Amino acid sequence: KAGVTQTPRYLIKTRGQQVTLSCSPISGHRSVSWYQQTPGQGLQFLFEYFSETQRNKGNFPGRFSGRQFSNSRSEMNVSTLELGDSALYLCASSLTSAPQETQYFGPGTRLLVL
Amino acid sequence: TQLLEQSPQFLSIQEGENLTVYCNSSSVFSSLQWYRQEPGEGPVLLVTVVTGGEVKKLKRLTFQFGDARKDSSLHITAAQPGDTGLYLCAGGDMDSNYQLIWGAGTKLIIKP
Repeated sequence: KAGVTQTPRYLIKTRGQQVTLSCSPISGHRSVSWYQQTPGQGLQFLFEYFSETQRNKGNFPGRFSGRQFSNSRSEMNVSTLELGDSALYLCASSLTSAPQETQYFGPGTRLLVL
Repeated sequence: TQLLEQSPQFLSIQEGENLTVYCNSSSVFSSLQWYRQEPGEGPVLLVTVVTGGEVKKLKRLTFQFGDARKDSSLHITAAQPGDTGLYLCAGGDMDSNYQLIWGAGTKLIIKP
């Protein structure tokens, strides 16, 4: 069974631009969560989608948004990029959104904002 | 805001040595997970502990959840170069629909 895939793997943008990242979950998984990972900060939860509905949201500004499609694929968008948005963005899928459900992570998209 | 502090932040040891990394909080968690992340990859779940005092073993790795469910430790016996990676702990936050709270990680390097 194929794992979680994320595209693109690497991205360079300049301040003020916007970016869209894509995540394809494991087949059959309906929950997708997004995280931002920066050195020394650990993983910061962005949001979780289940069956096309946002179930939980982390403490990030409105410039960060996401959506999920009927095939469970998910995208996240960051508008008006800032230098501090440079990070590894991880997507994780799970069968359901039940608490403590095992999450399977993709390899991430490394975003560099210049 | 719940926080999970991991220590040490960085550890470099020789192959064959033993080591312990810690994950501490002042808050109680419903569960505690340990992950390993290798360069260019996402974190991979190693274990979940849910009961205070619980001990789980995974080959040379021993995981313990504190009696009060506020802390956890990971002990590696006879470390091998393949154990190199970033070890992350994550706690289930009972006050936030069991959302995971993540530590910043311990970067472990095992030298041959």
